[in-house]
Amino acid sequence: EAQVTQNPRYLITVTGKKLTVTCSQNMNHEYMSWYRQDPGLGLRQIYYSMNVEVTDKGDVPEGYKVSRKEKRNFPLILESPSPNQTSLYFCASSLIGGRARYEQYFGPGTRLTVT
Amino acid sequence: GQQLNQSPQSMFIQEGEDVSMNCTSSSIFNTWLWYKQDPGEGPVLLIALYKAGELTSNGRLTAQFGITRKDSFLNISASIPSDVGIYFCAGQSRPNTDKLIFGTGTRLQVFP
Repeated sequence: EAQVTQNPRYLITVTGKKLTVTCSQNMNHEYMSWYRQDPGLGLRQIYYSMNVEVTDKGDVPEGYKVSRKEKRNFPLILESPSPNQTSLYFCASSLIGGRARYEQYFGPGTRLTVT
Repeated sequence: GQQLNQSPQSMFIQEGEDVSMNCTSSSIFNTWLWYKQDPGEGPVLLIALYKAGELTSNGRLTAQFGITRKDSFLNISASIPSDVGIYFCAGQSRPNTDKLIFGTGTRLQVFP
């Protein structure tokens, strides 16, 4: 089954404790992206990647890091989480050719709480 | 960053009613997409629109790419309980970019 998977689905952590949220897709998509969803703000892009070893900042990259060492994986790293990073996080992927590049497939989400 | 304005923010309707929601931008968009997010899940693409004036249907859903290219509309006919969720519009405004801008969402509740 074609899908985007994220782990963990739920995470409660404390300020300053490094964490990684994994994202994996099995559709051979070149493009991958991380979003955060907050009430009243919709989805805001954190980072994206056009292909292996190619990453770029989205609208709200502060406090986050990403890496793209393999095509299928795009982990999101919070080196020193703070309470304002409490949010619902989504990973998404798509092809980059033609119209397909706009049709992003989303993972199920990771709800992160930082105390 | 740029955001799209969606209205209404929320809707509470009775099963069988038709629903209309829209999305507006201050700048021209080249692509409009509509996503639905079920509770506890990620957004799923419903309809993609690529030309001004385009009208596309997906079952009971119909979406239109506004002529001005600054807005888009989504209609749901004869709503059913499983239509419950958050509907997001998204658009691409800059050529040669894969970046999507998302709206703030319309939360739909359907009562039997």
